Amino acid sequence: KQEVTQIPAALSVPEGENLVLNCSFTDSAIYNLQWFRQDPGKGLTSLLLIQSSQREQTSGRLNASLDKSSGRSTLYIAASQPGDSATYLCAVSLRPNSGGSNYKLTFGKGTLLTVNP
Amino acid sequence: DTGVSQNPRHKITKRGQNVTFRCDPISEHNRLYWYRQTLGQGPEFLTYFQNEAQLEKSRLLSDRFSAERPKGSFSTLEIQRTEQGDSAMYLCASSKSPLARITDTQYFGPGTRLTVL
Repeated sequence: KQEVTQIPAALSVPEGENLVLNCSFTDSAIYNLQWFRQDPGKGLTSLLLIQSSQREQTSGRLNASLDKSSGRSTLYIAASQPGDSATYLCAVSLRPNSGGSNYKLTFGKGTLLTVNP
Repeated sequence: DTGVSQNPRHKITKRGQNVTFRCDPISEHNRLYWYRQTLGQGPEFLTYFQNEAQLEKSRLLSDRFSAERPKGSFSTLEIQRTEQGDSAMYLCASSKSPLARITDTQYFGPGTRLTVL
């Protein structure tokens, strides 16, 4: 059974600092990995998706890396801003069973990020 | 592209009552997922549709839960005889499969928060 762990559970940093969020997964036979942002009481916003054949993806101040063999991913946030305060969730999908199409996601519990002005 | 919508956004009900939630996926998305998220946890997979066919159900989905996706468009999730343990955020996500073996990002709706008294 795939398990996803995110460390740290919470992180508080001053504005402008660069930071790294960590995600690890137990089954390396993933199809892709996604990082999401969730604001309190809201749904999930997709930030980055990395296919299993890729090693990193970048979007603005965000950079996500993937090391499938070691079962790890990191989300790097540059020059953090108070607006980045949210919970960041990592999720992986496995290859579906033969002939299947269900790329269901397995999530970690998230990292609660607070960026202080 | 108006995004995934869910209704209602909030539902408060008494134990034993039936509730129904609706999800409208992004048009042209043929894949639809339901997840459940409890406080402090990541979302957990409940069920998956490809077009109108329900192809997988999690063991989390007891007999009191039923989901449909008539005509492969919107989907409904019904919970019968609600229990306090059903209190959670119910999230819907959709994606498309335009090319063989390539899965797109799952886009999430804002969720329906259920409180069972």
